[in-house]
Amino acid sequence: DAKTTQPPSMDCAEGRAANLPCNHSTISGNEYVYWYRQIHSQGPQYIIHGLKNNETNEMASLIITEDRKSSTLILPHATLRDTAVYYCIVQGGYGSSNTGKLIFGQGTTLQVKP
Amino acid sequence: NAGVTQTPKFQVLKTGQSMTLQCAQDMNHEYMSWYRQDPGMGLRLIHYSVGAGITDQGEVPNGYNVSRSTTEDFPLRLLSAAPSQTSVYFCASGRGVRSPPSEAFFGQGTRLTVV
Repeated sequence: DAKTTQPPSMDCAEGRAANLPCNHSTISGNEYVYWYRQIHSQGPQYIIHGLKNNETNEMASLIITEDRKSSTLILPHATLRDTAVYYCIVQGGYGSSNTGKLIFGQGTTLQVKP
Repeated sequence: NAGVTQTPKFQVLKTGQSMTLQCAQDMNHEYMSWYRQDPGMGLRLIHYSVGAGITDQGEVPNGYNVSRSTTEDFPLRLLSAAPSQTSVYFCASGRGVRSPPSEAFFGQGTRLTVV
């Protein structure tokens, strides 16, 4: 599985966009980029995933560079409730040798401030 | 639709005791897994299963056993609890490798203390 690198912590002002970067320079062609977050000590919550195109859902946008070696998760209008640890995970799609198990790194602790 | 349900939520064990952490999902997911999370750390994969009757080891399997006799249930057994197994345990489920890539669903965790 490709490894990911994320900054350990970031701050964001409430109401502003939060841009969380992730490097995954060894990603292979059939691997997807997933983002999860963990609020306090709750179970991780899925946010979004993508292969090579930019993706958007009701929670966030995912921007993947053309070479797929890095990505950015964007929370367009961060609120205090978005304070959490955000994990960027690279995982193989179906048909690959990867069985779908998730390998978590340290993640980025996002602190949204009033 | 309850999602992924873990029981118990909290447990205190004495060193050497055994116990089973329960995990059940009602989404007919093929894939289930167990993680542990130590303070200030990310989640680490203990064991996983890609379907009933099939299990495999993750990153930190020592001291734990699993079985998958049904699609719905994936219990985690601590054979002889040690203080090093004090952690928060999360169970997860997903559609599995024969489905398009999609999200995993996590339970709310079991907080285990071994004294």
